[in-house]
Amino acid sequence: EPEVTQTPSHQVTQMGQEVILRCVPISNHLYFYWYRQILGQKVEFLVSFYNNEISEKSEIFDDQFSVERPDGSNFTLKIRSTKLEDSAMYFCASSEGSSSSYEQYFGPGTRLTVT
Amino acid sequence: AQKITQTQPGMFVQEKEAVTLDCTYDTSDPSYGLFWYKQPSSGEMIFLIYQGSYDQQNATEGRYSLNFQKARKSANLVISASQLGDSAMYFCAMRSSPDTGRRALTFGSGTRLQVQP
Repeated sequence: EPEVTQTPSHQVTQMGQEVILRCVPISNHLYFYWYRQILGQKVEFLVSFYNNEISEKSEIFDDQFSVERPDGSNFTLKIRSTKLEDSAMYFCASSEGSSSSYEQYFGPGTRLTVT
Repeated sequence: AQKITQTQPGMFVQEKEAVTLDCTYDTSDPSYGLFWYKQPSSGEMIFLIYQGSYDQQNATEGRYSLNFQKARKSANLVISASQLGDSAMYFCAMRSSPDTGRRALTFGSGTRLQVQP
């Protein structure tokens, strides 16, 4: 069964450093998403991406964040100048393009620890 | 704005019994979708079940069913014949109709279910 994959599974970085989280969505999916979950809290939407551009973003997704689809398979989230409060689990998700399909398939997540 | 409320931070159930996890929602969208996800201790998010706001029947997927009461704005998850492997965090989520161009999921705070032998 096709699945969303994410690398690395765990990333430790120092405050102020840049990190890139990588995702490979399901191959025939057209919509891609990033969510984050601070430890013990609910999952929060960051951004959605379609047709090589951001289609929706939350207020969390400020200038510190950027997304990119550098090739036909990868989808990345870059966090510039990380802060302690960026420590969280980051989930990538993807969904089909048809309007009748609501389901978003989540990857296993990348746990980001900022020290 | 959309809002999901899960009022049960934790639930216990005996193995083989049924359990209902509560979810209420608030939205001004005329069309929307409701989801339940399971998050085991390993951390991944596993899709369980989906209910469209205009679906005539309540959704069912194996041992999972969704008790959808539109007038009450509730979408409770029912797990029948609980198994030890059902112990996990469960999140209710919703999103607008794709017609709105908005596909972001809004999640509740979750319910931690523990199944006891």
